Amino acid sequence: GAVVSQHPSRVICKSGTSVKIECRSLDFQATTMFWYRQFPKKSLMLMATSNEGSKATYEQGVEKDKFLINHASLTLSTLTVTSAHPEDSSFYICSALSRRGTDTQYFGPGTRLTVL
Amino acid sequence: AQSVSQHNHHVILSEAASLELGCNYSYGGTVNLFWYVQYPGQHLQLLLKYFSGDPLVKGIKGFEAEFIKSKFSFNLRKPSVQWSDTAEYFCAVRTDRGSTLGRLYFGRGTQLTVWP
Repeated sequence: GAVVSQHPSRVICKSGTSVKIECRSLDFQATTMFWYRQFPKKSLMLMATSNEGSKATYEQGVEKDKFLINHASLTLSTLTVTSAHPEDSSFYICSALSRRGTDTQYFGPGTRLTVL
Repeated sequence: AQSVSQHNHHVILSEAASLELGCNYSYGGTVNLFWYVQYPGQHLQLLLKYFSGDPLVKGIKGFEAEFIKSKFSFNLRKPSVQWSDTAEYFCAVRTDRGSTLGRLYFGRGTQLTVWP
């Protein structure tokens, strides 16, 4: 149990375009999902917290108009990178907290975004 | 702000050697502690976690960790590593403060390479 999927696993796009990444909890309901960015040789950086039915909470320094987050249901959160730039190229990872408790985050496999 | 330090960035061992990866955090209140592992090309998986009780916790694949409150540490250990343990290991801490329920603070990770 506690499987989290992400789609797509890899995406390449041109500068200026928008890219949507989906995060789904497959076998449990998640009231809270988190979006991270992972840089090479560095830790996971929390970008924002996504709460079902409400606005996302963004970390300091993360542009909310650039990284749009929608948590429309208890099993789906989406991250849209708008007007992508090459510096947005990164590995984006989501995680989900089970509705039953807040003890453990379950992570998705990540999405490799490359902006040309 | 809360921070998590992993002192070893890259550890190289031979098979059957013993492993200890350091993790320290800076927060004086109640904490939940986690170790996650990321095998090459895979998503983060939970190795073990500590919430309360016995400070020596056992996880999957023969790993264990000891919570030493006085030292603000949660070091990961394994008596005898295998080649298949080659991966990136992340320590994470959740505190009882902050507005984001369930938020984790990650260390920068330790790359473990095990030579056969």
